[in-house]
Amino acid sequence: AQTVTQSQPEMSVQEAETVTLSCTYDTSESDYYLFWYKQPPSRQMILVIRQEAYKQQNATENRFSVNFQKAAKSFSLKISDSQLGDAAMYFCAYRSARSGGSNYKLTFGKGTLLTVNP
Amino acid sequence: KAGVTQTPRYLIKTRGQQVTLSCSPISGHRSVSWYQQTPGQGLQFLFEYFSETQRNKGNFPGRFSGRQFSNSRSEMNVSTLELGDSALYLCASSTYPRGVRGDGYTFGSGTRLTVV
Repeated sequence: AQTVTQSQPEMSVQEAETVTLSCTYDTSESDYYLFWYKQPPSRQMILVIRQEAYKQQNATENRFSVNFQKAAKSFSLKISDSQLGDAAMYFCAYRSARSGGSNYKLTFGKGTLLTVNP
Repeated sequence: KAGVTQTPRYLIKTRGQQVTLSCSPISGHRSVSWYQQTPGQGLQFLFEYFSETQRNKGNFPGRFSGRQFSNSRSEMNVSTLELGDSALYLCASSTYPRGVRGDGYTFGSGTRLTVV
């Protein structure tokens, strides 16, 4: 079974600065997808960025980028120019790329609570 | 377009009762998944439905069940509620089966269930 570990329960960053959230995962599969989701107090999980394991290029979405190290099974999220609205719980998630019903689910880490200080 | 709609937003039930939660996916999305979120266990997968069929089920007791209707709306039911069932229940929809390469998973705002 796959596992996802987020070793930083809480992080804080000054507004306009850069912060990196860590995520490691364990899998025996070679093809899979990785995600970062953001959950603000409104409770809705919002997709921040996704990475397909077969792509070597790191995904980027505006101020959000990832450092995907497949061999090390590491998938960190970098937030540049942090804004007050970035404050939320961030979850790293894994999904197998295999076909078959048992693979169609997300496995989440425990989350990192990000505080942005003005 | 409208997002994933979960009703009700909040629910308080007594131990031993049963509860039904509802999820309406994004129009055109045919897959609906359910997750339980608690402070202790984090986010755990409950089940996934596509075309009214349960495709995958997580490691939860039989008290947890669900179904999907022909319009893709889904309900989950918890019978004989226990205090430990208090949680945020999140629903996610996707185009399935390759939703990850398309819209991905879109989540609702959840139903906060409190069992007293």
